[in-house]
Amino acid sequence: EVQLVESGGGLVQPGGSLRLSCAASGFTFSHYWMGWARQAPGKGLEWVATIKQDGSEEYYVDSVKGRFSISRDNSKSSLSLQMSSLRAEDTAVYYCVRARSDYADYVFLDYWGQGSLVTVSS
Amino acid sequence: DIQMTQSPSSLSASVGDRVTITCRASQASRNFLAWFHQKPGKAPKLLIYDASTLHTGVPSKFSGSGSGTDFTLTISSLQPEDCGTYYCQQYKSYPLTFGGGTKVEI
Repeated sequence: EVQLVESGGGLVQPGGSLRLSCAASGFTFSHYWMGWARQAPGKGLEWVATIKQDGSEEYYVDSVKGRFSISRDNSKSSLSLQMSSLRAEDTAVYYCVRARSDYADYVFLDYWGQGSLVTVSS
Repeated sequence: DIQMTQSPSSLSASVGDRVTITCRASQASRNFLAWFHQKPGKAPKLLIYDASTLHTGVPSKFSGSGSGTDFTLTISSLQPEDCGTYYCQQYKSYPLTFGGGTKVEI
């Protein structure tokens, strides 16, 4: 059974930093793209970032470029999201997602963790 | 960026009804389109990928169709456990983008 468990969320002041982690199990982590998505309170879903199996490619939504950094440790089946210069509009539930590619590098998000709430407020 | 527009934004139906949700992409997305179902307070779950392929364990009452810019999700016989919000999402190009959601109530 695929399991994705996020940790590291919490309350942070505007301009602060936070690191989210995701522990993956139930599949061969190094075989899959991985990523993060988020959902602001009462709002829809937003993709945040994706990283290739070997970490050689990363993609980000424009609103977090230069502030967020995605990384992975295949030896530990773990994924991280380092967030800095946080803004009120980054307040959201952050989901760790597995991204599957059946054709070239076109990836769809097939499994989601339960989410970790990040609140940016003074 | 490819913008995804869903309609309707909400609907109310009865148990056993056939329900259809549409999703339109601002640019051709080939068949790189997924559908998700989210219940309140829970993580989204993948229903369909590649526009029409059912994800593992998803019941056959769900079906998807379309290609290019116009896509549909159909629930053949609505049940109480199907309520929640449905999202479409394209993965033809980055940034990956979601539709605004369709809230389904019974």
